[in-house]
Amino acid sequence: DVKVTQSSRYLVKRTGEKVFLECVQDMDHENMFWYRQDPGLGLRLIYFSYDVKMKEKGDIPEGYSVSREKKERFSLILESASTNQTSMYLCASSTGGAKGNTIYFGEGSWLTVV
Amino acid sequence: QKEVEQNSGPLSVPEGAIASLNCTYSDRGSQSFFWYRQYSGKSPELIMSIYSNGDKEDGRFTAQLNKASQYVSLLIRDSQPSDSATYLCAPFRTGDSNYQLIWGAGTKLIIKP
Repeated sequence: DVKVTQSSRYLVKRTGEKVFLECVQDMDHENMFWYRQDPGLGLRLIYFSYDVKMKEKGDIPEGYSVSREKKERFSLILESASTNQTSMYLCASSTGGAKGNTIYFGEGSWLTVV
Repeated sequence: QKEVEQNSGPLSVPEGAIASLNCTYSDRGSQSFFWYRQYSGKSPELIMSIYSNGDKEDGRFTAQLNKASQYVSLLIRDSQPSDSATYLCAPFRTGDSNYQLIWGAGTKLIIKP
């Protein structure tokens, strides 16, 4: 089975702190994604990566950065956490392909910024 | 206009009945369509994908696609309480990137015993 592991399930951080969310997948997928999900807004793409050291902005990249130094690992960084970044963060991975392939999600990281 | 429109619900259906979930999308270039189920507090999981016009059946689930009308639906037959969840529609948008799933906000489905 595909496994996408998010290391931190529940975090509470203070405003202004630097926050790291780590994600590892074990299926050698090319593509990795970071989403946030808020009630009524659905899934919103923050950043994605289709290869090591490659990254692309999604719909809401402001306030976030990412790092992909190894194929299996994709990190989301909040440089200076703010209360409006309180949300559930979902990491996902998929194989490449022009028609689209199944995206597999991690269990989610619930971040509260106080 | 949102790229993907879903009725937010909640949609309440009696146990054993057919639940019908609808989705419209704006990008005519979308070629593939995915339905995900998300239980409260959990991450989304794939139910079905559909690429061609018409129906595709998988157990109690049937996906229907009409590209001319830019409409995709999911039917759940013999609904069970365990089907109570939020259902997310996600067309796959082609264009300058080849991995853009565009997510609807989801329809909350409640199956009443």
